[in-house]
Amino acid sequence: EAGVAQSPRYKIIEKRQSVAFWCNPISGHATLYWYQQILGQGPKLLIQFQNNGVVDDSQLPKDRFSAERLKGVDSTLKIQPAKLEDSAVYLCASSLIMGSYGYTFGSGTRLTVV
Amino acid sequence: DAKTTQPTSMDCAEGRAANLPCNHSTISGNEYVYWYRQIHSQGPQYIIHGLKNNETNEMASLIITEDRKSSTLILPHATLRDTAVYYCIVRVAGGNAGNMLTFGGGTRLMVKP
Repeated sequence: EAGVAQSPRYKIIEKRQSVAFWCNPISGHATLYWYQQILGQGPKLLIQFQNNGVVDDSQLPKDRFSAERLKGVDSTLKIQPAKLEDSAVYLCASSLIMGSYGYTFGSGTRLTVV
Repeated sequence: DAKTTQPTSMDCAEGRAANLPCNHSTISGNEYVYWYRQIHSQGPQYIIHGLKNNETNEMASLIITEDRKSSTLILPHATLRDTAVYYCIVRVAGGNAGNMLTFGGGTRLMVKP
């Protein structure tokens, strides 16, 4: 089966600019997650979707981050405006059902804010 | 979810067994132990999980102590491609809201020729 697709692979922007990341989960996976991974740390969950609804966004900095999964398939994560501390790898993962042991992760988007 | 404690880094000789420890002394009776690994420039990859019995699959073995306060992931014949960060996570199984994987710092395993 095809894996979780993410784009772009790399992005460099200046602070205060906007950026968007795209994720296409595995077909049929109802649950989608966005994680932020700062260099040298483990991934940190930002938001969890079940189909097109938000399950948990308690760790999402809502003043600048937003995410949507309008049709319950693809998802986009946006940062507006970006700060230097947003430099990180943004990982998308999906699972067949909520609570499944097997998350499948994409390779991530590496964001550098200068 | 219970916290886990892992060594920051470990080395292993190629072809030898790699034994990665994890302490989870506050684990609850309904929490599973999961292991994921992350190879450089890739997303984390599921390896194995277990509740209280030892588990084995094509990638690794998981040994959980009888009191469930610690576990060991065993890669029986480590190769250079096993060089990665290994994450031990404890989590309740089930489809409850908020029941997501929470990653700590993990163990950086370096397999050397």
